[in-house]
Amino acid sequence: EVQLVESGGGLVQPGGSLRLSCAASGFIFSDYDMHWVRQAAGKGLEWVSGIGFAGDTYYSDSVQGRFTVSRENGDDYLYLQMNNLKAEDTAVYFCAREGPEAMHYLDVWGKGTTVTVSS
Amino acid sequence: SYDLTQPSSVSVSPGQTASIPCSGDKFGHEFACWYQQKAGQSPVLVIYQDTKRPSGIPERFSGSSSGNTATLTISGTQAMDEADYYCQAWDSGVMKFGGGTKLTVL
Repeated sequence: EVQLVESGGGLVQPGGSLRLSCAASGFIFSDYDMHWVRQAAGKGLEWVSGIGFAGDTYYSDSVQGRFTVSRENGDDYLYLQMNNLKAEDTAVYFCAREGPEAMHYLDVWGKGTTVTVSS
Repeated sequence: SYDLTQPSSVSVSPGQTASIPCSGDKFGHEFACWYQQKAGQSPVLVIYQDTKRPSGIPERFSGSSSGNTATLTISGTQAMDEADYYCQAWDSGVMKFGGGTKLTVL
């Protein structure tokens, strides 16, 4: 079964850091681009970051310079290092797999991990 | 940057057809896809590459694109289709979502 499981969320103070992890299983992780998408309570989906299977990275303007996406293909893990966190980063963070052939749609999603930035 | 614009809400009677438009100036040279998100759940891909339906998605879900507008159509809408729907596109290294449309079946 294809599966993505996020972890690492929690409560952090403004200015703090947090590292999210996403464990992939049921598919050849190294063949796929991966993304992080977040959703604040009661709000819509917001793309955060993406990483190609070869390691090229992409970021939204709202997190550029503060967040770093990475992957460990040998262990089938995706990561999101979040620094200098702000209240507006509070959200559920989803890990998602991009479909094949660089068509830029997300065909598999995890259940999400919650990040709360508050003093 | 660019924006994808969807109506915030659409209502439909059971058995009728629901249409959800998404406008964006990248359509025409970028594909649109659509996600369904039910309350408390993760999003599910229902349409990709404008018109394609993933396996397991009912045939009543279809997509189209013309000019600057992509449209999700649900034929014979059922109560179980009540959810939030998001369009999405990609351009020059940026993924964008529409603001979401709440579909109410009443």
